Amino acid sequence: AQSVTQLDSQVPVFEEAPVELRCNYSSSVSVYLFWYVQYPNQGLQLLLKYLSGSTLVKGINGFEAEFNKSQTSFHLRKPSVHISDTAEYFCAAKMNSGYSTLTFGKGTMLLVSP
Amino acid sequence: DAMVIQNPRYQVTQFGKPVTLSCSQTLNHNVMYWYQQKSSQAPKLLFHYYDKDFNNEADTPDNFQSRRPNTSFCFLDIRSPGLGDAAMYLCATGKAGEYEETQYFGPGTRLLVL
Repeated sequence: AQSVTQLDSQVPVFEEAPVELRCNYSSSVSVYLFWYVQYPNQGLQLLLKYLSGSTLVKGINGFEAEFNKSQTSFHLRKPSVHISDTAEYFCAAKMNSGYSTLTFGKGTMLLVSP
Repeated sequence: DAMVIQNPRYQVTQFGKPVTLSCSQTLNHNVMYWYQQKSSQAPKLLFHYYDKDFNNEADTPDNFQSRRPNTSFCFLDIRSPGLGDAAMYLCATGKAGEYEETQYFGPGTRLLVL
């Protein structure tokens, strides 16, 4: 089984500043990793995913994440945030062999202010 | 556009009165999931269908049932809703057997129990 830890429950940031949302995972087997975003009263939207290959993954809305196997991390970054990026962000993992379901972190609320 | 649709978006029911939430998909995915999400928490998997095979999570209350009459539709039945069942209910789909089986989420149904 795997577990996902999002170290920050809330991250306040000013508009146009850079941001990093942290995610660490624990698993006895290799995993696929995902970041989802949830706007108020909406479902989850896939931002990006790491499957294999290049450790730097680019997603939608200018977000990117870097897979670091030695640190078991998959931190999400954006160089310059907008007010519209205010949302809840969830990191998730699933085993990359056989059939398995997603394990979510508890989420990080990104609060962007002017 | 292919998508996951949930109806209704908002549902109000009375304590103890059965309620059904619906989910449909045009993605032709063979897996459909139901999640419960309470305020400021991660989605919690209730159960999922892998084709016609029903997979219940160990801690899902008996009060929650599901039906999948065909590939496109899946229903969540709450037999006797309690106040603690008020939450956002998210449906997701995936294509098992695909490389990584990314899950795609619907917009959710927010359930209010009076």
